[in-house]
Amino acid sequence: GENVEQHPSTLSVQEGDSAVIKCTYSDSASNYFPWYKQELGKRPQLIIDIRSNVGEKKDQRIAVTLNKTAKHFSLHITETQPEDSAVYFCAAIPGGSYIPTFGRGTSLIVHP
Amino acid sequence: NAGVTQTPKFQVLKTGQSMTLQCAQDMNHNSMYWYRQDPGMGLRLIYYSASEGTTDKGEVPNGYNVSRLNKREFSLRLESAAPSQTSVYFCASSAGQSIWEYFGPGTRLTVT
Repeated sequence: GENVEQHPSTLSVQEGDSAVIKCTYSDSASNYFPWYKQELGKRPQLIIDIRSNVGEKKDQRIAVTLNKTAKHFSLHITETQPEDSAVYFCAAIPGGSYIPTFGRGTSLIVHP
Repeated sequence: NAGVTQTPKFQVLKTGQSMTLQCAQDMNHNSMYWYRQDPGMGLRLIYYSASEGTTDKGEVPNGYNVSRLNKREFSLRLESAAPSQTSVYFCASSAGQSIWEYFGPGTRLTVT
């Protein structure tokens, strides 16, 4: 089955800095890669996703890149703000499946 | 449109007691899922239901049973609770392959 590794487990930045979270996956059949943000005590919420036919996708301060050859994808947050502080999860879903495999999460702390 | 709802929000059980966690969605999604979330372990799939009338085991099904009561509702039952089942439980739904997953607000379960 699919295996997703996520790094780092904790990331501490100053407000205004950029943050990058990286994930690798094992199943070359995976073709959909969503990212979730989970604030303390709340449910995970989808913030951005990317499909395997695209190398990069942006949404305001958030971007995701995908390298299919190397089987890794990354979340980039620019101009971080304290409200970006949360746990971020990556996931990978093989084509023909509807079952995501999640990474273990990255706790992002943005210091004012 | 309430999305995905779960009851109860909090529950404390004694070892050996049983209980059922309820989940409902009003988005006409075919697929529903139960996850548990433990610190540092990410989201682990317990059971899922691809469509009404079908259920399948996920990564950590031992000690749990599920029922897909109809298209809207998917319940999770603990027959004999154990302290190892202390966790936060999330229900989720999706429209199918490579589509967003929506999470419920979670149930925080403590087994003493």
